[in-house]
Amino acid sequence: QSALTQPRSVSGSPGQSVTISCTGTSSDVAGYNYVSWYQQHPGKAPKLMIFDVSKRPSGVPDRFSGSKSGNTASLTISGLQAEDEADYYCCSYAGSDSVVFGGGTKLTVL
Amino acid sequence: EVQLLESGGGLAQPGGSLRLSCAASGFTFSNYAMSWVRQAPGKGLDWVSTISGSGGTTYYADSVKGRFTISRDNFQNTLSLQMNSLRTEDTAVYYCAKVISMILPGDYWGQGALVTVSS
Repeated sequence: QSALTQPRSVSGSPGQSVTISCTGTSSDVAGYNYVSWYQQHPGKAPKLMIFDVSKRPSGVPDRFSGSKSGNTASLTISGLQAEDEADYYCCSYAGSDSVVFGGGTKLTVL
Repeated sequence: EVQLLESGGGLAQPGGSLRLSCAASGFTFSNYAMSWVRQAPGKGLDWVSTISGSGGTTYYADSVKGRFTISRDNFQNTLSLQMNSLRTEDTAVYYCAKVISMILPGDYWGQGALVTVSS
């Protein structure tokens, strides 16, 4: 199973919005509404930010939102804050009882 | 408070074995599927395996199928990963994670256990 495709890096200024894309295929992102997004700060465990394409776990600010169109899922962070600077990973159910991650995107807050 | 605590990491030789454990607390362990996810040094996240809440169904990445075995003890609230025929490319930090939806790792993760495979 090939990894989902994410941009290596994105950046934005405090208060702005950024969107991170996650491109898959009909066998994963497009085929199921099971896409999750994780935030990971250096040296820390990943933290779930979005699951089931657009659901937010309790405690995650509503500045974080998820969506999907065809074979591309997206994570949008509005009102960027310094603490949002981290690596972000998408993840999708890929059928045949398998899971696939994206390669990760480094978000820099300028 | 939900806690997941991995143990058992360390150094193993290529072809060797290692067993990871994850002690869970703060939730009804048997009600949730659990996953193992790994991260090689400086690399991204890589799904390894998931097990259903009852332990009756298991799922594996192709890269570990036939070498790794996931299991759980719902009385001891413990998740395990038996790793055999280890390869240098298995070197990574291994995280256990509670599943929130389908078989994807979810809302709680352990702190990780480092496994190094080297001669």
